[in-house]
Amino acid sequence: GQQVMQIPQYQHVQEGEDFTTYCNSSTTLSNIQWYKQRPGGHPVFLIQLVKSGEVKKQKRLTFQFGEAKKNSSLHITATQTTDVGTYFCAGLGSSNTGKLIFGQGTTLQVKP
Amino acid sequence: EPEVTQTPSHQVTQMGQEVILRCVPISNHLYFYWYRQILGQKVEFLVSFYNNEISEKSEIFDDQFSVERPDGSNFTLKIRSTKLEDSAMYFCASTYTNYGYTFGSGTRLTVV
Repeated sequence: GQQVMQIPQYQHVQEGEDFTTYCNSSTTLSNIQWYKQRPGGHPVFLIQLVKSGEVKKQKRLTFQFGEAKKNSSLHITATQTTDVGTYFCAGLGSSNTGKLIFGQGTTLQVKP
Repeated sequence: EPEVTQTPSHQVTQMGQEVILRCVPISNHLYFYWYRQILGQKVEFLVSFYNNEISEKSEIFDDQFSVERPDGSNFTLKIRSTKLEDSAMYFCASTYTNYGYTFGSGTRLTVV
């Protein structure tokens, strides 16, 4: 079945350092969405990428969607302690039911 | 900002008992979902619901699971005979157009 892999599983950075998480799908995706989950919280929608090669920015966060629409990345510049949490990519598969297939997530810890 | 509301926040039940998890999606949303997350793991799709019927379900969603939208606003997940491995956080989500899903804060189900 369709799978979405995400690396790394954990990342510890010093405040001010950059952070990147990578996402790969076994199949071509209609779109890819990114969510943030704070410890003890629920996934919160960050952004959706639809077009091949698309790049979107939200302040210090940069999201990319690969040319083949099978991979994506999230890059955070100059991390802050408020960036702590788990970042999930989620692919929207080929079925039109809206089913999201989540990656395993990357848990970011930021040391002040 | 509109929210997806889930109740209860925590449910403890004995193995073999029936549980009903309740959700109130955002009022103008059309697509409804249940996902679950076993502690420390990724978010897994259970079922999607559109136009008052199931549109897709995962292998996890076996005959012990059912969903209903009894009154046009509430959206429920029933587990008929709970097993220990059903212990997880259950998230309800809704969306209007498959662009960005709003997740509820979840129900932590503990089966003892």
